[in-house]
Amino acid sequence: DGGITQSPKYLFRKEGQNVTLSCEQNLNHDAMYWYRQDPGQGLRLIYYSQIVNDFQKGDIAEGYSVSREKKESFPLTVTSAQKNPTAFYLCASSNAGGPLSVEQFFGPGTRLTVL
Amino acid sequence: GDSVTQMEGPVTLSEEAFLTINCTYTATGYPSLFWYVQYPGEGLQLLLKATKADDKGSNKGFEATYRKETTSFHLEKGSVQVSDSAVYFCALYGGATNKLIFGTGTLLAVQP
Repeated sequence: DGGITQSPKYLFRKEGQNVTLSCEQNLNHDAMYWYRQDPGQGLRLIYYSQIVNDFQKGDIAEGYSVSREKKESFPLTVTSAQKNPTAFYLCASSNAGGPLSVEQFFGPGTRLTVL
Repeated sequence: GDSVTQMEGPVTLSEEAFLTINCTYTATGYPSLFWYVQYPGEGLQLLLKATKADDKGSNKGFEATYRKETTSFHLEKGSVQVSDSAVYFCALYGGATNKLIFGTGTLLAVQP
């Protein structure tokens, strides 16, 4: 089955540690995205990538980093510089292109808790 | 800039009741509009979409019509079920930025 997988489902981190969240897709999509979801708020875009070896900052990129070395993978690193990292993180992918191709497919999410 | 405003929840209904979740938007140009649903502990799933004015998106008994004159995309369902309990997000794509802009989400709780 085609889809997006995120791992782990739950992640605990001590303050001051970097942590990397995994996102893999086998939909052959060009574009991939990372969102952060906090209670009572909509999704906020952290980073996105429209093609391999290229990515752009979203609305809340500070304290995060990404890489896009392979089409199917888009890992997100939450660094110690992120002031409030406890949140639910969602990865998504889509075909690049015009408005008719912008449907985004989401993974099941990773809940990160900083202890 | 582009934005989406949804009615605040939670919305609590009895099974078989009629559902409306309001959504209005602000955008330049002609955005595409979406409703996504998030079941507890899961990621988002696309529920329905509309890409131009007067289009009606529909899926699983849910409907929404793209109203350019009122800049709205309200979600409706004639008879809700307990299994419809979830958070519903309205979103737009296009306008000033080629990004998906989400509303804050509306929690729907359906009681048997």
